[in-house]
Amino acid sequence: SAVISQKPSRDICQRGTSLTIQCQVDSQVTMMFWYRQQPGQSLTLIATANQGSEATYESGFVIDKFPISRPNLTFSTLTVSNMSPEDSSIYLCSVEFGRQTYEQYFGPGTRLTVT
Amino acid sequence: SQELEQSPQSLIVQEGKNLTINCTSSKTLYGLYWYKQKYGEGLIFLMMLQKGGEEKSHEKITAKLDEKKQQSSLHITASQPSHAGIYLCGADPAGAGGTSYGKLTFGQGTILTVHP
Repeated sequence: SAVISQKPSRDICQRGTSLTIQCQVDSQVTMMFWYRQQPGQSLTLIATANQGSEATYESGFVIDKFPISRPNLTFSTLTVSNMSPEDSSIYLCSVEFGRQTYEQYFGPGTRLTVT
Repeated sequence: SQELEQSPQSLIVQEGKNLTINCTSSKTLYGLYWYKQKYGEGLIFLMMLQKGGEEKSHEKITAKLDEKKQQSSLHITASQPSHAGIYLCGADPAGAGGTSYGKLTFGQGTILTVHP
């Protein structure tokens, strides 16, 4: 398994501003992902954070709105840009060590409220 | 895309009772994950199933994947208040091609309440 931390754990932001969420893992991982969970909904994949290259975004998500960085194998950031109340969600990072175990672990999440 | 349907949507049981949550897919499941989520928090990994007919257990929780790999069940024996939370199944469409692996699609979740 892995110990995954996210910062901040929660935040309240004003519309039009941006927030950067950090995800730190205690060991090197192959894959890192970012998910969004809107109120009362299940999880939706935003993008795959690729180490050393641009993230791969899912349909409906774009880099200008959700820029992602992954400078190394243990750390990634997700920025929510130009926020609106519709961005109020829990944002979660997840990690997978590779196809050896297939197990995927999630961070504790960042609860974002946009006013 | 892979659609996952969970049933029931919510479940209320008395402590000590057994219960089952189901997860059904419209397509073959190449990897089926079960997670538990406390309200507003992250997901706790429970189990991952890959092979048709596979069954795994951890403490009082048992998960099974049917032979056709389109349905999974999560069974809790002698439920306790600590089992309360939201149970989510997630599918890995890795069989669809190498670029898809690890990208999980989730069901809507089952809210479990256990009364002492």
